[in-house]
Amino acid sequence: GENVGLHLPTLSVQEGDNSIINCAYSNSASDYFIWYKQESGKGPQFIIDIRSNMDKRQGQRVTVLLNKTVKHLSLQIAATQPGDSAVYFCAEKPSGANSKLTFGKGITLSVRP
Amino acid sequence: NAGVMQNPRHLVRRRGQEARLRCSPVKGHSHVYWYRQLPEEGLKFMVYLQKENIIDESGMPKERFSAEFPKEGPSILRIQQVVRGDSAAYFCASSPRVSETQYFGPGTRLLVL
Repeated sequence: GENVGLHLPTLSVQEGDNSIINCAYSNSASDYFIWYKQESGKGPQFIIDIRSNMDKRQGQRVTVLLNKTVKHLSLQIAATQPGDSAVYFCAEKPSGANSKLTFGKGITLSVRP
Repeated sequence: NAGVMQNPRHLVRRRGQEARLRCSPVKGHSHVYWYRQLPEEGLKFMVYLQKENIIDESGMPKERFSAEFPKEGPSILRIQQVVRGDSAAYFCASSPRVSETQYFGPGTRLLVL
């Protein structure tokens, strides 16, 4: 039979604009969250993380927001650049010794010049 | 400061052959994780190892797959009698402690003909 590929959702933004990438996580026991960026043919690259005792954390040009009430995580990228074009994954980890990361499906960010 | 190293970067095997994937963690990291990524999907956890011990293998298929992280040398993910469905990108990550951020290698892309 025909094999239909699953296409990732895409966010298209103009260079210089701000980007907001959203993620809904599933496990209310998760207490550590990470955003990774993956460029074509490469491994995931750590961007920023946040623990559940915080609701906001800022890095260089990036901000992560955590809303535990609705189990929602977002990544904001200021002044988006062409080099930001990639697939972005959120990942969650439950508290305790279990170190297994659970990844979301990923969102493709496309920056228009 | 070398990151996580994986080799080979690309591996082609015929059905029924064995695939061996190697991962050298960041120097000083004693925790290693293996993930599998199918095209346009997020990473799926396979196994978590700490030097000479398998801590969590809940994501490993019950047959044909095994992993080790010996006292000396790299971590090895071994797939026996490969089938076409094993074709994927396999990523290794490492961390210095169980609750710390996981840093990923460039991955091994396995193609089974």
